[in-house]
Amino acid sequence: EDQVTQSPEALRLQEGESSSLNCSYTVSGLRGLFWYRQDPGKGPEFLFTLYSAGEEKEKERLKATLTKKESFLHITAPKPEDSATYLCAVEGGGADGLTFGKGTHLIIQP
Amino acid sequence: KAGVTQTPRYLIKTRGQQVTLSCSPISGHRSVSWYQQTPGQGLQFLFEYFSETQRNKGNFPGRFSGRQFSNSRSEMNVSTLELGDSALYLCASSFFQSTDTQYFGPGTRLTVL
Repeated sequence: EDQVTQSPEALRLQEGESSSLNCSYTVSGLRGLFWYRQDPGKGPEFLFTLYSAGEEKEKERLKATLTKKESFLHITAPKPEDSATYLCAVEGGGADGLTFGKGTHLIIQP
Repeated sequence: KAGVTQTPRYLIKTRGQQVTLSCSPISGHRSVSWYQQTPGQGLQFLFEYFSETQRNKGNFPGRFSGRQFSNSRSEMNVSTLELGDSALYLCASSFFQSTDTQYFGPGTRLTVL
């Protein structure tokens, strides 16, 4: 059974204070690891897909990296609008849909 | 390009009733997946449809069912509602399979009284 654990559960940062969110996973045959952000009352918004260890992707202040056991979402010089819940999900070889972590609730204070 | 749409956005039902939720995928997307999101369990996979056939199914009771039409639109049905079915139900679409990037709709908030 695929499992995803995200840490920390919640994180409060000052504007401009860089940090990293962690996503640890166990999966039989990783087919893809996905990062989403979710704002209150809305559906998850796609950020990145990573397929193999060593892969990195960047978008504005966000950078996602992948190893064989975990993924990190690095946030550089965050702004208040980066406040959201960040979700990590994996698709394994069992082809039973995405398995999501519980998310990291990120708050960026001005 | 229009995103994934879900209707209705909010629903209130009572125990024992049944409910049908609708999802229209992004144009050209043929795979539709459904998820349940609750504060305690997070996002959990319900099922995936492709070409009008259920391709994958999560670990939910048979009260949860779905279907997909020839235009890729999908519906999910929950029969004999229970209090624990109160959740945000999310639909996601992708081009061909669930490993392709899935784009989510805004969800349907179901409250069971």
